[in-house]
Amino acid sequence: ETGVTQTPRHLVMGMTNKKSLKCEQHLGHNAMYWYKQSAKKPLELMFVYSLEERVENNSVPSRFSPECPNSSHLFLHLHTLQPEDSALYLCASSQDNGATPRFQYFGPGTRLTVL
Amino acid sequence: TQLLEQSPQFLSIQEGENLTVYCNSSSVFSSLQWYRQEPGEGPVLLVTVVTGGEVKKLKRLTFQFGDARKDSSLHITAAQTGDTGLYLCAGAGQAGTALIFGKGTTLSVSS
Repeated sequence: ETGVTQTPRHLVMGMTNKKSLKCEQHLGHNAMYWYKQSAKKPLELMFVYSLEERVENNSVPSRFSPECPNSSHLFLHLHTLQPEDSALYLCASSQDNGATPRFQYFGPGTRLTVL
Repeated sequence: TQLLEQSPQFLSIQEGENLTVYCNSSSVFSSLQWYRQEPGEGPVLLVTVVTGGEVKKLKRLTFQFGDARKDSSLHITAAQTGDTGLYLCAGAGQAGTALIFGKGTTLSVSS
């Protein structure tokens, strides 16, 4: 148990659907992240929230929309996805004090398949 | 752009063998982390190395950070089937910047 939970664990959706991924961290951290993990590629950082404010957005298409209502919860809203968006979506959290490297703790991921 | 190259990409060995996997870059990192990821799960942090030349041991796993802080290695002694998984290295640049991940080494240990 890493203290970071993600739901659902598996999701199959059509290209016209709208769905949301949820992440919750129980570690008291102040920063949360969304990553995309595709086969044969490094983990791709999508979004970073620190103190509930988005601090990084790595050129992610607008069909992915993050939301961070508080420091413990993070959502990724999905709409009009493409088959190439099928991947494992990982959430992570860390305690970011700006002076030390960000040691990140990951959730188990949501395996997304877009048909 | 900072890149981390991991080698080998795949490694299949018998239980009891020793192995080393590598993480290399042309960039300097302030620290480097190693994670293990099992199928269907997220990466789990194994160790963080911070000082050039640092060696850390975690039971049968030995991690080393290069003197120039551009590379790292993970050595496993007497591998067990439970060591099977994807090993990822991740480098941290300046304080507050995002981690850079390598593509990983997939290790399979058979009995």
